[in-house]
Amino acid sequence: EVQLVETGGGLIQPGGSLRLSCTASGFTVSSNYMSWVRQAPGKGLEWVSAIYSSGSTYYAESVKGRFTISKDNSQNTLYLQMNSPRAEDTAVYYCAKYYYGSGNYYFDYWGQGTLVTVSS
Amino acid sequence: DIQMTQSPSSLSASVGDRVTITCRASQSISRYLNWYQQKPGKAPKLLIYTASGLQSGVPSRFSGSGSGTDFTLTISSLQPEDFATYYCQQTYSTIITFGQGTRLEIK
Repeated sequence: EVQLVETGGGLIQPGGSLRLSCTASGFTVSSNYMSWVRQAPGKGLEWVSAIYSSGSTYYAESVKGRFTISKDNSQNTLYLQMNSPRAEDTAVYYCAKYYYGSGNYYFDYWGQGTLVTVSS
Repeated sequence: DIQMTQSPSSLSASVGDRVTITCRASQSISRYLNWYQQKPGKAPKLLIYTASGLQSGVPSRFSGSGSGTDFTLTISSLQPEDFATYYCQQTYSTIITFGQGTRLEIK
C-alpha cells in the first residue's frame, strides 16, 4: 500500500529555516517524480516544487531561491528545505507522488499534509 | 506560467442536479488537464486525468471533456458526498498550475 507521511511542520520565524520530510512506503522515491504542493489557510492549491527521478528540480517563482527540494533514496524520503520564509509561506504542505499514464502526469497519491506557520 | 481559470468560483446545487465546472487555460495545453476533489481538512483526490480519463474507484457520474484551452468537469447526478471543492490542474508545463477552485455547496 502506498503511503506518504509528512513531518517537520510547525511555527517558524520569518527569516529562519525549516526542513519538511515526506517518508514514502509502498514504492521507491528514487524511481518516481515527486512534488510539494501547499495550501494557505482558506485558499486554493499551489504547486511549490518537483524533483524528477533524474534529479532535475523545478520551483514555483514564489519560492525559487529560498526553498530546496531533495530526496534521500536510502531513506525513501523527500525533503523541502525552507529558508528565509515569509508570512505568505504559511500553509499546509502536502507531498504528492506523480503517476505517468496516457502520456500525461498527475498526482495519484498525496500525504496528509503538515502545517507550517511563519510568524514572529 | 500557464494560468488556469475556473468558473464558477462557487456553486449551489441540490442532490440529483447535473453540474458543470469549467476550466480555461491561458494557452493550449492539449489534454494535459486533471481534476481533483478536496474535502475540508483532507488531501485532494484525483478524479479525472488527461481531460477525460476516470481514475479507478471514482464513480461514473463524474466525467471530463475538452482539449486545447477549454475543459469541463461534469457531475451527472449530485450525491451528498460530492459537496466539496474541485480543482483543475495543468501538467503541460513542468511548472504545474492549479485553478483557483470551485466550491460546490448544498442548496
